[in-house]
Amino acid sequence: QLQLQESGPGLVKPSETLSLTCIVSGGSISSSSYYWGWIRQPPGKGLEWIGSIYYSGSTYYNPSLKSRVTTSVDTSKNQFSLKLTSVTAADTAVYYCGRHAIAEANRPNWFDPWGQGTLVTVST
Amino acid sequence: DIQMTQSPSTLSAAVGDRVTITCRASQSISRWLAWYQQKPGKAPNILIYKASTLESGVPSRFSGSGSGTEFTLTISSLQPDDFATYYCQQYDTYWTFGQGTKVEIK
Repeated sequence: QLQLQESGPGLVKPSETLSLTCIVSGGSISSSSYYWGWIRQPPGKGLEWIGSIYYSGSTYYNPSLKSRVTTSVDTSKNQFSLKLTSVTAADTAVYYCGRHAIAEANRPNWFDPWGQGTLVTVST
Repeated sequence: DIQMTQSPSTLSAAVGDRVTITCRASQSISRWLAWYQQKPGKAPNILIYKASTLESGVPSRFSGSGSGTEFTLTISSLQPDDFATYYCQQYDTYWTFGQGTKVEIK
């Protein structure tokens, strides 16, 4: 059974870079059938897609975050990563990683499964 | 950007009630829509994709319908385990979520 687990610092200072890694177990990140995505959820609020990456390195980014987001993939470690630069308090959220299925129209569709999520707080 | 608007934001219902949640897209998304259930402190779980296809293992009391800009998620007979927040997500152009509908105990 595929499992995803986010890891990274729980506290980041304003203006610094948020860095998270998602470790994939129970399946290969190099599958041709999936992208791998990041989604966040501010406390008490809704969900926002951040970006998605294919094992080859092909990416999609949320246009509203594109200037600050970088994702990467390490197939040897079966993991992928997120970097978000110049963070502010508005970036405080639970960050989820998820498998992004390519099922219809030859592009990523829905997210399943998700990691358990990790809370990142931006504060001094 | 395609905006997704859910209604209502909160819904109070009793066990056994039929519940309907609406999701509207700011432009046509064909049937490229998924529904998720999220419980407090947990990640969302996929319920339905392509507007009406039930994910394997999801109870048949859940159903989805719609196309274009208007979609619905229906729970035919609400069970205690169904009290949660539900999100729609379009995957026509990039990926955006509705703001969520919280189903509370009446």
